[in-house]
Amino acid sequence: GQQLNQSPQSMFIQEGEDVSMNCTSSSIFNTWLWYKQDPGEGPVLLIALYKAGELTSNGRLTAQFGITRKDSFLNISASIPSDVGIYFCAGQGGSEKLVFGKGTKLTVNP
Amino acid sequence: DTAVSQTPKYLVTQMGNDKSIKCEQNLGHDTMYWYKQDSKKFLKIMFSYNNKELIINETVPNRFSPKSPDKAHLNLHINSLELGDSAVYFCASSHVPGTGGEAFFGQGTRLTVV
Repeated sequence: GQQLNQSPQSMFIQEGEDVSMNCTSSSIFNTWLWYKQDPGEGPVLLIALYKAGELTSNGRLTAQFGITRKDSFLNISASIPSDVGIYFCAGQGGSEKLVFGKGTKLTVNP
Repeated sequence: DTAVSQTPKYLVTQMGNDKSIKCEQNLGHDTMYWYKQDSKKFLKIMFSYNNKELIINETVPNRFSPKSPDKAHLNLHINSLELGDSAVYFCASSHVPGTGGEAFFGQGTRLTVV
């Protein structure tokens, strides 16, 4: 089945720094989604991407759907303490189910 | 108003028991899901229902049985609970039928089997 490789697994940064994380797939996806999960909560959708090459922003977050349709990245600019959490990429190919990456745990030091 | 709500939030039970988790969504979505998140935070789909009809059934033990009385509700019943069933179970819903695009998640039910 389809698998996603998400990296890095964890990041420790200082407040104000920019963050970048990415996902790669062994197969083509038609949709890439980025979610954030706070402790004790369910994942919350941050950005949805539907077209190869698409670059979408949501406040300080920017995500891109790779041209090859096998990768996506998420950038967070000027990080703040509330950015702490686990970020998941998720991809969907054709009529197949949504597949999640293993998450990137972000820690922001004030 | 909570969009996707599931109860209970915490569930501690003994091996061999039968338990249910309830889920309701008020978003008007036709598709609902159950996901399992293990201790390493890996999220994996278990079931998907579209308008009360089962459309995805992953390789899940048949001790797990979803039930959808209407399109706003998807409950999960688990028979003969085992230690390995301990995890966080998330209900979700989406307007994109079947496959999970742009899914909205509930807060999760942390199941601990002792």
